[in-house]
Amino acid sequence: AQSVAQPEDQVNVAEGNPLTVKCTYSVSGNPYLFWYVQYPNRGLQFLLKYITGDNLVKGSYGFEAEFNKSQTSFHLKKPSALVSDSALYFCAVRDRLSGGYNKLIFGAGTRLAVHP
Amino acid sequence: DAGVTQSPTHLIKTRGQQVTLRCSPKSGHDTVSWYQQALGQGPQFIFQYYEEEERQRGNFPDRFSGHQFPNYSSELNVNALLLGDSALYLCASSVQGSNTGELFFGEGSRLTVL
Repeated sequence: AQSVAQPEDQVNVAEGNPLTVKCTYSVSGNPYLFWYVQYPNRGLQFLLKYITGDNLVKGSYGFEAEFNKSQTSFHLKKPSALVSDSALYFCAVRDRLSGGYNKLIFGAGTRLAVHP
Repeated sequence: DAGVTQSPTHLIKTRGQQVTLRCSPKSGHDTVSWYQQALGQGPQFIFQYYEEEERQRGNFPDRFSGHQFPNYSSELNVNALLLGDSALYLCASSVQGSNTGELFFGEGSRLTVL
C-alpha cells in the first residue's frame, strides 16, 4: 500500500537556525512528492513538489526539499528559520493507482514551532 | 484570480442532521476533490469529481455524496451526521490530465456535530 510517514509530531527550532522536517514514503515506482503548509484555521498551501530531475527542489518562502530514492525520503529544509514559519506541515505522495486523477495521500503532519 | 472558495466557513449541526458544503474551484480548473481533516490528522481523500461524475472514492460510507455542476463547482453532502463527522472539510481543485499532480486547496469548512 502507498503511504507517507512523518515520524515527528513536533519539531522545535530557534529562530535563525536551520530546520528539517522529515518525511518518508512507500510507493512503487517513481513517486510524485509534495509539501504543504497549514496555518491555524486555514487551508493547505502548496510549498514545493518533486516530479523528476534534480533531487534538490526549491519552493516557496525559502523552503527546499531533498529527494533521496535509496532512503525513500523527502525531507523539508530551510537554512534559517523564522518565527512566521511556525505552522503545520504535511508531506504527501500522489496515488499512482489513481490513473490520470490527482489524488494525494497525506502524512499525519508535523507541527513546526520556531522560538524567538 | 480567485482561488478555491468554500462555504460556509463554520457550521454546527446535531447528530442525524444533513449538511451541504459548497466549493468553487480555481479559475481554469475542471476537477474538484474533497478531503476530510479530523483534528490532529492529515487530510483523508473522500472523492473526486470531473465532468460532473464521481471518478474516484476513498474509504467513506455512502452517507457522503457529492455533485459537480456544469460550471465545475461542487457540493459535498453528508447525511445522518455522526459525532465522528466533526472535521475540517477541504476542497481542492486541479486540471484534469495535469502531470504535476498539484492541488489547490480552499480554506475549508469546519463542521461541528453535537
